Amino acid sequence: DADVTQTPRNRITKTGKRIMLECSQTKGHDRMYWYRQDPGLGLRLIYYSFDVKDINKGEISDGYSVSRQAQAKFSLSLESAIPNQTALYFCATSDQTGYGANVLTFGAGSRLTVL
Amino acid sequence: AQKVTQAQTEISVVEKEDVTLDCVYETRDTTYYLFWYKQPPSGELVFLIRRNSFDEQNEISGRYSWNFQKSTSSFNFTITASQVVDSAVYFCALSEANTGNQFYFGTGTSLTVIP
Repeated sequence: DADVTQTPRNRITKTGKRIMLECSQTKGHDRMYWYRQDPGLGLRLIYYSFDVKDINKGEISDGYSVSRQAQAKFSLSLESAIPNQTALYFCATSDQTGYGANVLTFGAGSRLTVL
Repeated sequence: AQKVTQAQTEISVVEKEDVTLDCVYETRDTTYYLFWYKQPPSGELVFLIRRNSFDEQNEISGRYSWNFQKSTSSFNFTITASQVVDSAVYFCALSEANTGNQFYFGTGTSLTVIP
């Protein structure tokens, strides 16, 4: 099984629908992240969490919300999806040793299409 | 301002040629970390290397080598004797000690190795 598992891997939905992307990890890491990848823009941080009680907005949090249900689970929600949220979404984890030194371990990605 | 710049959007080389992917970063921190990730056509993100700002020694791993030069704020990646399996998008990333929670990714360089 993968260290970081994302579900669903692919999703097509309509404008206005609520969507949840789920992420679970078996690495025992405290830190979890959600990134969005768009062609030509690289990866941009949506939200991150350092532990179950710590949630922080990233660069592009508008239109998204997250929930850290447990150390191993971090879900991303789009309350009312819009077409420009069509993208590839990645969940990532890292350990907490050292400032800035942490290696991100990524899930396989969730491709979301909003029609 | 972009903290990590990968000016080469797309590169094509013929198999067995050497290729260098450029990465220029911007930071005021004295302690920071630089990373390279590979994203093959299958879409996952694979960690390749991490270097800290105090270690400018170049690194070689098989056909891969990295040239870190603080004087030019560059962390370039060279693939020697390229192979078709090297075809991927490569991302350079920066993480600063004082904002260790965030990784700044470049926009990526798409490398195509032609057989």
